[in-house]
Amino acid sequence: DIVMTQSPDSLAVSLGERATINCKSSQSVLHSNNKNYLAWYQQKPGQSPKLLIYWASTRESGVPDRFSGSGSGTDFTLTISSLQTEDVAIYYCHQYSSIPRTFGQGTRVEIK
Amino acid sequence: EVQLVESGGDLVQSGRSLRLSCATSGFTFGDYAMSWVRQAPGKGLEWVGFIKSKTYGGTTEYAASVKGRFTVSRDDSKSIAYLQMNSLKTEDTAVYYCTRDIDGYYVSWGQGTLVTVSS
Repeated sequence: DIVMTQSPDSLAVSLGERATINCKSSQSVLHSNNKNYLAWYQQKPGQSPKLLIYWASTRESGVPDRFSGSGSGTDFTLTISSLQTEDVAIYYCHQYSSIPRTFGQGTRVEIK
Repeated sequence: EVQLVESGGDLVQSGRSLRLSCATSGFTFGDYAMSWVRQAPGKGLEWVGFIKSKTYGGTTEYAASVKGRFTVSRDDSKSIAYLQMNSLKTEDTAVYYCTRDIDGYYVSWGQGTLVTVSS
């Protein structure tokens, strides 16, 4: 199984500042088609998760451009360039490279 | 507008069965794989299983924790996905989400349905 490890577990960032979440996979999720099978989701309190990023760096339609994804192979990053109050949530990375699909443990983002 | 609505969650005793439904609208259901993801109270997300579209054979895959006990199925004529859960254990207590699956990532999620398994 591919183990997904996020860091940090939680972070507090001032409004308008940058938030960076890291995700490391125990095996490469880069396939021969040159795609990284890695997605990011946002889960706000009391809500269902929402897709933010897929293929490691492709932003889902309607997602603000302050959210960006980067990385390849085993190391990935979700960046919120300018944190807004509505970004308070738990963020999960997810590999869909192989069965079983696995998620990171989540990173809680709060306002400092 | 894409909608996924789960139902069927309940309080059940350990060892019993339950069937969850996921009614969908707003997209061509038969064209997509459908997955189930669960979240235990206060915990993270855990993949449960999926069913591919008929175009890709309608095959299923499951997490080791539920394999042999849970079955994912679909009725393309009704645009509904199902999760049949047998031999339930207390550790199956969770909110169960159905998702629309594109190439393995989850582009749409339902609101979830709570399954509580008591001992």
